[in-house]
Amino acid sequence: QQQVKQSPQSLIVQKGGISIINCAYENTAFDYFPWYQQFPGKGPALLIAIRPDVSEKKEGRFTISFNKSAKQFSLHIMDSQPGDSATYFCAASLMRYSTLTFGKGTMLLVSP
Amino acid sequence: NAGVTQTPKFRVLKTGQSMTLLCAQDMNHEYMYWYRQDPGMGLRLIHYSVGEGTTAKGEVPDGYNVSRLKKQNFLLGLESAAPSQTSVYFCASSYPRQWPTDTQYFGPGTRLTVL
Repeated sequence: QQQVKQSPQSLIVQKGGISIINCAYENTAFDYFPWYQQFPGKGPALLIAIRPDVSEKKEGRFTISFNKSAKQFSLHIMDSQPGDSATYFCAASLMRYSTLTFGKGTMLLVSP
Repeated sequence: NAGVTQTPKFRVLKTGQSMTLLCAQDMNHEYMYWYRQDPGMGLRLIHYSVGEGTTAKGEVPDGYNVSRLKKQNFLLGLESAAPSQTSVYFCASSYPRQWPTDTQYFGPGTRLTVL
């Protein structure tokens, strides 16, 4: 049972465009939703995270939008740059546990 | 401050051989995790530990064992390697859950091929 569904699998965006990656979850008890960024040959690194008591969180060019009623959240990358080319993973977890459930990932390519 | 380190970086095994992957962290984190990453499958949790001397099963624990004898180290063992265990293995560590420091710090990975 896949608890966090991520789409699309891959995405090509022109430099300066907006990249949008979507995730949907099933467990309404999830209370923490991070996004991780992974460059080729490296381990994932936390990019940005949100709790369900807010609908949006912005850090620089990266924004998480959260829709609790639809059980969906998304990552928006504004003014996408070639350096943003990486694989992005959404995840979800419960406060009382320590583990993350990851989506399958989105490979983003920003063309110059 | 090296963060999370993994040994070895690459390894090729024959079916049936055994090996141990070592993860070390110097951030004094309580929690440590082992994941495997396969194309199109994302990151899947194998085992994790919430403190020295404790371990717990994750999503895909079969064929693996772990030990956390020291707080800074988390070992992942393959008793009898199978081709299905060909993967990239990542170790991660974190503090106990508390916002806003709910961050898992990942190591650089170990690429394992089982022939």
